[in-house]
Amino acid sequence: KAGVTQTPRYLIKTRGQQVTLSCSPISGHRSVSWYQQTPGQGLQFLFEYFSETQRNKGNFPGRFSGRQFSNSRSEMNVSTLELGDSALYLCASSQASTGTEAFFGQGTRLTVV
Amino acid sequence: AQSVTQPDIHITVSEGASLELRCNYSYGATPYLFWYVQSPGQGLQLLLKYFSGDTLVQGIKGFEAEFKRSQSSFNLRKPSVHWSDAAEYFCAVVGNNAGNMLTFGGGTRLMVKP
Repeated sequence: KAGVTQTPRYLIKTRGQQVTLSCSPISGHRSVSWYQQTPGQGLQFLFEYFSETQRNKGNFPGRFSGRQFSNSRSEMNVSTLELGDSALYLCASSQASTGTEAFFGQGTRLTVV
Repeated sequence: AQSVTQPDIHITVSEGASLELRCNYSYGATPYLFWYVQSPGQGLQLLLKYFSGDTLVQGIKGFEAEFKRSQSSFNLRKPSVHWSDAAEYFCAVVGNNAGNMLTFGGGTRLMVKP
């Protein structure tokens, strides 16, 4: 069974631009969560989608948004990029709505210059 | 709000020595508990999980963890460390009514001396 796939793996963007990251969960998994990892703040939860509905949202500005499609694939979008958005963005998929483990992708390394 | 504390930012052990990584959580009820490992530039790999039942859980790569409700702890152990275990380790919790939203500790970076 294929794991969680995130694309692209690396991205360099300029301040003020926007970016879209993609995540394909494990087949049969309906929950997708996104996390931001930085050296200073560690791993922080962005949002979770289950069956195309956002269920939880972390404490991030509205520039961060996401969506989930009917095939459970998910995208997250960051608009008006700031230098501080440089981070490793991780996607995780889970099979059920709760009470199951999360499996992570390799991440997308975003660098904002 | 729930929180997870990993008191040790860095730990260095000799190859073959035993290892214990500490994790304490703050939550009103018993959450779901996890340990993940991350190699540089990579995603997170699940080592083990605790949902309920036996408080000593076995994971992959020879790791185990013990849940102690009275201490709100979920410490990770390995009897004999291998050089390939050098990585960063994260303890995480999911609240019972929080879907799959993980709250992570700050991580412990493990270095292994030959």
